Amino acid sequence: DQQVKQNSPSLSVQEGRISILNCDYTNSMFDYFLWYKKYPAEGPTFLISISSIKDKNEDGRFTVFLNKSAKHLSLHIVPSQPGDSAVYFCAASERAGNNRKLIWGLGTSLAVNP
Amino acid sequence: DTGVSQDPRHKITKRGQNVTFRCDPISEHNRLYWYRQTLGQGPEFLTYFQNEAQLEKSRLLSDRFSAERPKGSFSTLEIQRTEQGDSAMYLCASSQGLAGGPTDTQYFGPGTRLTVL
Repeated sequence: DQQVKQNSPSLSVQEGRISILNCDYTNSMFDYFLWYKKYPAEGPTFLISISSIKDKNEDGRFTVFLNKSAKHLSLHIVPSQPGDSAVYFCAASERAGNNRKLIWGLGTSLAVNP
Repeated sequence: DTGVSQDPRHKITKRGQNVTFRCDPISEHNRLYWYRQTLGQGPEFLTYFQNEAQLEKSRLLSDRFSAERPKGSFSTLEIQRTEQGDSAMYLCASSQGLAGGPTDTQYFGPGTRLTVL
């Protein structure tokens, strides 16, 4: 049972345009959401996060939007650059004692074409 | 600070052998996590330490797996009698563990790629 879903396995975008990556979740107890970027044979690199008390968080070219009623979040990258090409993972965590283990989606492979 | 480091980066072993991986977290991070990732999947939680205490283990962690964090700093993950199904990327992450706070970001190491022949 996939609690975090990334329904688009891949996305192709032209350099300079906006990339929008989507993520849906089913567990209403999730209170913290993160996006990670991953290159092959490397560990995930943290990009940006959002707490459930907010609906938007922005960091440079990256903005994450959270719609709690729809249980949906999205990552916007503007403008997209070829170096952004990687697999992007959405992850979520809930309060369960002190363990903030992350529950992950399957990832979306982003290709930014020059 | 050099971030989370893991050793070795790659390990090839024969079925039935034991292997041990090491993780050095970011200094002053008191929480340490192990995850496993197979091709086409997101990482899956294996186990979690708060300082030297192992507070949770996933059901994915069979009796052949053991993890330690003896002094609350580095951690080791040992797999005994390896099986081909153990082939995966083993990821370690650490976080500050802000008491009571949900915004506890985990930072990952480069991973150890295990191949069991």
